[in-house]
Amino acid sequence: AQSVTQLDSQVPVFEEAPVELRCNYSSSVSVYLFWYVQYPNQGLQLLLKYLSGSTLVESINGFEAEFNKSQTSFHLRKPSVHISDTAEYFCAATTSGTYKYIFGTGTRLKVLA
Amino acid sequence: GAVVSQHPSRVICKSGTSVKIECRSLDFQATTMFWYRQFPKQSLMLMATSNEGSKATYEQGVEKDKFLINHASLTLSTLTVTSAHPEDSSFYICSASPSAPSYNEQFFGPGTRLTVL
Repeated sequence: AQSVTQLDSQVPVFEEAPVELRCNYSSSVSVYLFWYVQYPNQGLQLLLKYLSGSTLVESINGFEAEFNKSQTSFHLRKPSVHISDTAEYFCAATTSGTYKYIFGTGTRLKVLA
Repeated sequence: GAVVSQHPSRVICKSGTSVKIECRSLDFQATTMFWYRQFPKQSLMLMATSNEGSKATYEQGVEKDKFLINHASLTLSTLTVTSAHPEDSSFYICSASPSAPSYNEQFFGPGTRLTVL
């Protein structure tokens, strides 16, 4: 069965420090992986996605994630966070042939001044 | 491109009334739309998958008679919460997938906050 695990429910980090939000998946077939960000009382915004090709994917606001097939991971990283990055981050996976997403439980990133 | 809207963004209703939430794909045709429910500080829970012109497929534990889904066109799906009760208060999010995807991706709406008094 397919599943997505986000190991950290909350991650506090000081402004300008680096951060890593962890995501692991399990699937017996090829997966497509996504990171979404959700600000309070808003919907989900796509941060970045891995479909195929280069295993390192980047967003326009400095986040990056690397697909690691051997470790079945898709961790999200940013070298220097801002207060405005405070939000809930969801990792999601889907497989070819199905439209269904499997979401992780989310990680609340809190950037401290 | 790939914008999904929801209306209303926020609704407050009395217990026992019905509430309709609209989900529209603004710049693409969506064969498949999804409805999610999100409780405070929790992840998204898939409620149902709707395909244009056919009946929705509900996830286990979701009452189809309570959460009526209609997907009448390639750009519009509606979720009607019938005889709403306070426990139905939640954040409802829809998403849509293009009709001819080269990959499987869902585009999410901004969500609707339902409060049942």
